[in-house]
Amino acid sequence: GAVVSQHPSRVICKSGTSVKIECRSLDFQATTMFWYRQFPKKSLMLMATSNEGSKATYEQGVEKDKFLINHASLTLSTLTVTSAHPEDSSFYICSARFGGSSGANVLTFGAGSRLTVL
Amino acid sequence: GENVEQHPSTLSVQEGDSAVIKCTYSDSASNYFPWYKQELGKGPQLIIDIRSNVGEKKDQRIAVTLNKTAKHFSLHITETQPEDSAVYFCAASIRRSGGGADGLTFGKGTHLIIQP
Repeated sequence: GAVVSQHPSRVICKSGTSVKIECRSLDFQATTMFWYRQFPKKSLMLMATSNEGSKATYEQGVEKDKFLINHASLTLSTLTVTSAHPEDSSFYICSARFGGSSGANVLTFGAGSRLTVL
Repeated sequence: GENVEQHPSTLSVQEGDSAVIKCTYSDSASNYFPWYKQELGKGPQLIIDIRSNVGEKKDQRIAVTLNKTAKHFSLHITETQPEDSAVYFCAASIRRSGGGADGLTFGKGTHLIIQP
């Protein structure tokens, strides 16, 4: 089955620094990946759609310069939280489309990355 | 854009009983409705999904029903077991003719508690 790997699973950083989170599709190619943010005991909020070889599409209210997305290959998308502040602390989850033999195109999620900004 | 409402926010049932979680959606163009199970500290795992061309789908103890006219869909878990305890999210998206899907819009989640 499809596996999406996220790294790191946990990261703690100081306020003002930047943090990069990687999302990899391990056994399939993903032209499109999605980045979500989840607050404790809350739902997942779509932040942006990452498209291989082109600019990401951001949801309304998400700062493009704050959350930099790069999708340089068919198996890797990265989310960089720039100049992080405590309010950026959250659980970030990526997902990728997987078609497989059935062509079902379901969305498979990574295990998430918990960011804590001190 | 799409808006997905999910109820209840918390559901406690006795082991062996059934659990039902309900969702409504607003965008009539949505045609793909997955359900995800999320355990603490982990990413969501797809447990079942349904497309708008069918009204019901079943996979062992789990079933999903869809009413396109009313724009609501439900998750049914029968013979609940302790390992079913988790947060369940419904979602909706528009699946394009080329096979891709837009990003999912999630409901707020239901914390399912199975009482032994």
